Amino acid sequence: DQQVKQNSPSLSVQEGRISILNCDYTNSMFDYFLWYKKYPAEGPTFLISISSIKDKNEDGRFTVFLNKSAKHLSLHIVPSQPGDSAVYFCAANSNFNKFYFGSGTKLNVKP
Amino acid sequence: NAGVMQNPRHLVRRRGQEARLRCSPMKGHSHVYWYRQLPEEGLKFMVYLQKENIIDESGMPKERFSAEFPKEGPSILRIQQVVRGDSAAYFCASSPFEGNMNTEAFFGQGTRLTVV
Repeated sequence: DQQVKQNSPSLSVQEGRISILNCDYTNSMFDYFLWYKKYPAEGPTFLISISSIKDKNEDGRFTVFLNKSAKHLSLHIVPSQPGDSAVYFCAANSNFNKFYFGSGTKLNVKP
Repeated sequence: NAGVMQNPRHLVRRRGQEARLRCSPMKGHSHVYWYRQLPEEGLKFMVYLQKENIIDESGMPKERFSAEFPKEGPSILRIQQVVRGDSAAYFCASSPFEGNMNTEAFFGQGTRLTVV
């Protein structure tokens, strides 16, 4: 069962504009959400996280928004840079259990 | 503090051979996770281990696959009698135990297994 879903397999954005990556989840027990970035032939690297007690967390150009009622989170990157081009995975877990990952969104930032 | 170390980075096995993938977690991390990524797909959970314990192996195929995380040494993912469908990138991640606080998992570079 796919408890974390990323419905957009790819996204193309112009350099300097905002990138918005979306993620939906089905398990209301999830209380911790994360975004990872992955380059080809490398392991995923942690980007930003948010606890379910918050609705927003910001770190530099990256902001994650959580809408618990809609079971939806999003990652905003502004301004987008060509180096941001990668596959982005959202993940969720609860009670220190395994991390559930979405299928990923491939972001292409055009110069 | 070195990151999560996986070896080998690349592994080629003939059908029917055994594959052993190793993962050394970050220092101080007691939780290890294994994920598999098939070409053009996302990260699929395989198994979650703590030292000497398998916590969740719901993602492991019932046959040929096993994992361990001994008291000393790295975590091992073992695939017996490999088949072509086992060809994938296998990622290990580790996280610390922080009491009642959630923490992120840190990933290794992965082992790319090719079965010929």
